[in-house]
Amino acid sequence: GAVVSQHPSWVICKSGTSVKIECRSLDFQATTMFWYRQFPKQSLMLMATSNEGSKATYEQGVEKDKFLINHASLTLSTLTVTSAHPEDSSFYICSARFWGLAGVHEQYFGPGTRLTVT
Amino acid sequence: AQSVTQLGSHVSVSEGALVLLRCNYSSSVPPYLFWYVQYPNQGLQLLLKYTTGATLVKGINGFEAEFKKSETSFHLTKPSAHMSDAAEYFCAVSSPGGGGADGLTFGKGTHLIIQP
Repeated sequence: GAVVSQHPSWVICKSGTSVKIECRSLDFQATTMFWYRQFPKQSLMLMATSNEGSKATYEQGVEKDKFLINHASLTLSTLTVTSAHPEDSSFYICSARFWGLAGVHEQYFGPGTRLTVT
Repeated sequence: AQSVTQLGSHVSVSEGALVLLRCNYSSSVPPYLFWYVQYPNQGLQLLLKYTTGATLVKGINGFEAEFKKSETSFHLTKPSAHMSDAAEYFCAVSSPGGGGADGLTFGKGTHLIIQP
């Protein structure tokens, strides 16, 4: 199956600093990538949809100036958490979507990035 | 708007017993339905999905699920549980169609515990 990678797998940063998380589709081109956040023992919540070459679409309640998303190529999307605070500590998971067989889109998830803000 | 309800945040079964994880959805259009498994500190792995066609869908690791439109359900089953099945399971729904930028809407998850 298709492979999606994330880097770093975990990061610890100080409050007030910014952190960039990369999401790459390794063996396919993804016109759309999604960013999710998962708090401990909770479900995944969609944060934003990232389309190559255009601005990201953010879900209600997600601050676009705080969570900067860039989708510069068909294989790379980045999420930058700016001026991070402890409440931003979470597990961030990306997914990449492409058109599979029979015109059905397939979505594959990255392994996630654990962010801890101290 | 779409939503997913997973009944039971925790399900415990004995090794070798039937596994049944419940999922009900609401969607204004015929949905695509998914089951994912997540092991601790890892991403999600797709178990199976329903898009169109046969309503009984077989996935990996012996899991299967049946789409029942009349019941708006997509319950996940496995005839015989293994210890390695212990994990968090998420049911998800999306709207079909091209171009649309819909991410998945997830249920709250069910933690499956396997008793030896």
